[in-house]
Amino acid sequence: NAGVTQTPKFQVLKTGQSMTLQCAQDMNHNSMYWYRQDPGMGLRLIYYSASEGTTDKGEVPNGYNVSRLNKREFSLRLESAAPSQTSVYFCASSELRLLEETQYFGPGTRLLVL
Amino acid sequence: DQQVKQNSPSLSVQEGRISILNCDYTNSMFDYFLWYKKYPAEGPTFLISISSIKDKNEDGRFTVFLNKSAKHLSLHIVPSQPGDSAVYFCAASANTGGFKTIFGAGTRLFVKA
Repeated sequence: NAGVTQTPKFQVLKTGQSMTLQCAQDMNHNSMYWYRQDPGMGLRLIYYSASEGTTDKGEVPNGYNVSRLNKREFSLRLESAAPSQTSVYFCASSELRLLEETQYFGPGTRLLVL
Repeated sequence: DQQVKQNSPSLSVQEGRISILNCDYTNSMFDYFLWYKKYPAEGPTFLISISSIKDKNEDGRFTVFLNKSAKHLSLHIVPSQPGDSAVYFCAASANTGGFKTIFGAGTRLFVKA
């Protein structure tokens, strides 16, 4: 039981390049999330998927796209990377029990855009 | 406009003493609150939570207190241990048809041996 896995762990991009961050969970959770963490800003929600086949924008969606490939996998794509997208990206999945939700996070992807 | 605020970026405590981490929120619709702990190069991990129908929840050395009238919650760690040194995120969510969780900026706790 690996929980939430993310690939790659670290990536360097040049401005304008594209890349996809991969995320998978093996806990049979319906909901999955992508966050970015920046110094002094906490975790900010980029996109989320409440269930397979649905995706919604979070707080900071500009410059990103997502795909909920199946129940296990939720990918985040940067079509044209910008230095402002330098950050640590976390994927999470969640379970809902009695209207209380707990999220489980992956180890993160550290992205540097030059 | 931060709905969840952790006003102390860092806190230093002696081993064995109490650590108190504070969190304020502005949205009165929040009804579920969580604390996550994060070590360097790892993802956040769930620590403890509290529902708005309670004012206290305890789990071993960790206790979360909720003051709804003041829109304030706190995490107490007693006794503090060097392994508790990490970043602690306060988070809140509202049962309003979607369960988007809002996170605070985090407080870095240093526990000195």
